[in-house]
Amino acid sequence: EILMTQSPATLSVSPGERATLSCRASQSIGSNLAWFQQKPGQAPRLLMFIASTRAAGAPARFSGSGSGTEFTLTISSLQSEDFAIYYCQQYDNWPFTFGPGTRVDIK
Amino acid sequence: QVQLVQSGAEVKRPGASVRVSCKASGYTFRTYNIIWVRQAPGQGLEWVGWISVYSGKTNYAQKVQGRVLMTTDTSTTTAYLEVRSLRSDDTAVYYCARADWGDNWGQGTLVTVSS
Repeated sequence: EILMTQSPATLSVSPGERATLSCRASQSIGSNLAWFQQKPGQAPRLLMFIASTRAAGAPARFSGSGSGTEFTLTISSLQSEDFAIYYCQQYDNWPFTFGPGTRVDIK
Repeated sequence: QVQLVQSGAEVKRPGASVRVSCKASGYTFRTYNIIWVRQAPGQGLEWVGWISVYSGKTNYAQKVQGRVLMTTDTSTTTAYLEVRSLRSDDTAVYYCARADWGDNWGQGTLVTVSS
């Protein structure tokens, strides 16, 4: 099973600032990585897939990069609606696995 | 537009079974796989399994292997998740999502296992 780790666990950011979230896979997954945003009481929402392809409806301030084992989600300028938990998920090998999440909260 | 609409909340006794449905619309059902994900209260996301709507092939997480059955009905464009021999640690919100990368999600179904 591929283990996904995320750092940091919590990221405190002021509105308008840049946020950088990291995701690491225990073995190479190519570019088969997705990023999700989840707010309390809501289903997850896809932001990025194939590591760097923005999902339909995802704002342009979100960008993804990386391949192999190291991945990054960048939010260029935090808006109030971006405070949430972010998860990465690999879909390269069964079982597909999620990272533990990074909580982005208001500084 | 793509929509996945799940069945309502369930309360079950330990040892019972539950079936959650996921009605898909707005796209050609056969052309995308369905994944199931669960989230225990206050916890992160846990991948439960995957089904190819086209072939019926399935793959399940080891934690639920032997207790889970995923099926689809192409005539009604509905996916189903059945969990048997329910335990208290199966208490969670269960989500269905379209495609391996989860591009569209159902609203979630809370399954509570309690005596």
